[in-house]
Amino acid sequence: AQSVTQLGSHVSVSEGALVLLRCNYSSSVPPYLFWYVQYPNQGLQLLLKYTSAATLVKGINGFEAEFKKSETSFHLTKPSAHMSDAAEYFCAVSDQWSGGSNYKLTFGKGTLLTVNP
Amino acid sequence: NAGVTQTPKFQVLKTGQSMTLQCAQDMNHNSMYWYRQDPGMGLRLIYYSASEGTTDKGEVPNGYNVSRLNKREFSLRLESAAPSQTSVYFCASSAGNQPQHFGDGTRLSIL
Repeated sequence: AQSVTQLGSHVSVSEGALVLLRCNYSSSVPPYLFWYVQYPNQGLQLLLKYTSAATLVKGINGFEAEFKKSETSFHLTKPSAHMSDAAEYFCAVSDQWSGGSNYKLTFGKGTLLTVNP
Repeated sequence: NAGVTQTPKFQVLKTGQSMTLQCAQDMNHNSMYWYRQDPGMGLRLIYYSASEGTTDKGEVPNGYNVSRLNKREFSLRLESAAPSQTSVYFCASSAGNQPQHFGDGTRLSIL
């Protein structure tokens, strides 16, 4: 079974500061990895995905993440936080079931990002 | 461009009542999913459907049933609601190994 651990349920940064949200995964097979963002009272939106191509993945809104197999990590970063980045962020790993071409997701518990003026 | 549409957006039930949450997608996706989101728990998979006519249990299926009515629609039914099922429910859909697209959720309270 696959699992995801997000270190830090709440991260607070100042506007303009570096954003670093941590994600570690456990998987017995090469994983697909995703970061989603959830704004208040909304569904989840895809920020970026890793699907075994480039290990540094660029997403929307200036976010990027680096897949490090040796560390089983997929941390999310943004060089300069903006007030509009305040949201909850979820890391997820895919689980391909046998014989299929569809992928279930296992989510981490989420990290709430607050941005202080 | 509607994407994934969930109805209703809010619902309050009494313990023991039943209800069906509706989900429809207009992206011609084969796979559909139901999750529940609880504070500090992330999203947990309830049921999924790899294709029309098939459904399978996820991590937390107890107390729920699903129906994949056609390729577009995937409903979630609570036969006898319990306070422990108070949650926000999300439907999602995907095509192959592409990322899942989520609806805006149904906020369900059970008294």
